[in-house]
Amino acid sequence: KNQVEQSPQSLIILEGKNCTLQCNYTVSPFSNLRWYKQDTGRGPVSLTIMTFSENTKSNGRYTATLDADTKQSSLHITASQLSDSASYICVVSEWNGGSQGNLIFGKGTKLSVKP
Amino acid sequence: DGGITQSPKYLFRKEGQNVTLSCEQNLNHDAMYWYRQDPGQGLRLIYYSQIVNDFQKGDIAEGYSVSREKKESFPLTVTSAQKNPTAFYLCASSIVGRGKEQQFFGPGTRLTVL
Repeated sequence: KNQVEQSPQSLIILEGKNCTLQCNYTVSPFSNLRWYKQDTGRGPVSLTIMTFSENTKSNGRYTATLDADTKQSSLHITASQLSDSASYICVVSEWNGGSQGNLIFGKGTKLSVKP
Repeated sequence: DGGITQSPKYLFRKEGQNVTLSCEQNLNHDAMYWYRQDPGQGLRLIYYSQIVNDFQKGDIAEGYSVSREKKESFPLTVTSAQKNPTAFYLCASSIVGRGKEQQFFGPGTRLTVL
């Protein structure tokens, strides 16, 4: 069964500190992996999209890594800010012969950044 | 202002009533999607449409209906047949391409059944 598991479920860090969120998946065949940021009560916003051949991608203070062999991804946040408080969702897309495949959503990691 | 809008932001419904959630986009995207989000769960696909006048069921279509009469609009009706409709509903849109297309999400509608 295609699954996306995220850890930890929730995380509290102090402002200015770094943190890393994990995503493990069993989706096959694999097309791409996405990280989204979702503020409370709002829609998700895309941070990164990585295909099989990409093992790292950055978006400002956010850096995502992908190890397609072990089916693991991480999202590293550098020098956290209060505005980073949100849920971070890992999404894996199935390969569908070159067109949009099913998206399998993780449950998210809820990050709280405290002053 | 380009983007995807949903209305209303909050919606209350009595049991047995149908309600329609609005989703509009001016991004010129061909594909539109409806998701449901429940606490502690990942987003689940209700319906999607890749072209006007055509749509497909997602993983949890029972108790829901959609229409796609215009490219810009993809309304979702939550019918009385949906047994547990209280949830956060998200609409998204994207271009239709080769599988790496970014989905843009609306701000969501929170539906509560009284």
